[in-house]
Amino acid sequence: QLHLQESGPGLVKPSETLSLTCTVSGGSFNSRTYYWGWIRQPPGKGLEWIASFYYSGSTYYNPSLKSRVTIFVDTSKNQFSLNLNSVTATDTAVYYCARQRVGSDGFFDNWGQGTLVTVSS
Amino acid sequence: HSVLTQPPSASGTPGQRATLSCSGSSSNIGNNPVNWYQQLPGTAPKLLLYNYNQRPSGVPDRFSGSKSGTSASLAISGLQSEDEAGYYCAAWDDSLNAWVFGGGTKLTVL
Repeated sequence: QLHLQESGPGLVKPSETLSLTCTVSGGSFNSRTYYWGWIRQPPGKGLEWIASFYYSGSTYYNPSLKSRVTIFVDTSKNQFSLNLNSVTATDTAVYYCARQRVGSDGFFDNWGQGTLVTVSS
Repeated sequence: HSVLTQPPSASGTPGQRATLSCSGSSSNIGNNPVNWYQQLPGTAPKLLLYNYNQRPSGVPDRFSGSKSGTSASLAISGLQSEDEAGYYCAAWDDSLNAWVFGGGTKLTVL
């Protein structure tokens, strides 16, 4: 049974870097069938895709966030991480990691429980 | 503003059929498959339908999807109280080169 779990600080100061890690158990990154991605949801609002990466190392980003986002992968630990720099209050959101099927439909079929990150001084 | 447009709320009574809409454009729904997610209060989204009308294992056949032009719809027949949730549509956008979501529809079962 695939399980994803986000972890990281719940509070980040404005202008600093938000860093989160997703630990995957019950599955492996080395699959040609799936990407692994990050999605966020501001309180009371809709979902926003941040970025997705493929086991080969290729990563694609939401153009609106690309300049501030970096994805790191540690296959030895089955973890992938998100760094979002120069954060502001508008980056306050629940951040989810998820598995994404490769293909034109690209659906996210397994999600972590999410972690709330608040940007505030 | 979300790229895909969904009405913010909808309601129905138990046993009724509810239809939720998702409006897009030729660069997303008009040219790419649509997925639907269900988000129960306080939980992570769950994949409900993919590629317009395909149901993952475990999703009841009360849920169905369709597309017409640049709009998609999610139909829920035989509404149950457990269907009270937020519903989000999503698709790839060829112009934005990004996965885009609708703003979500909160379904209330009266």
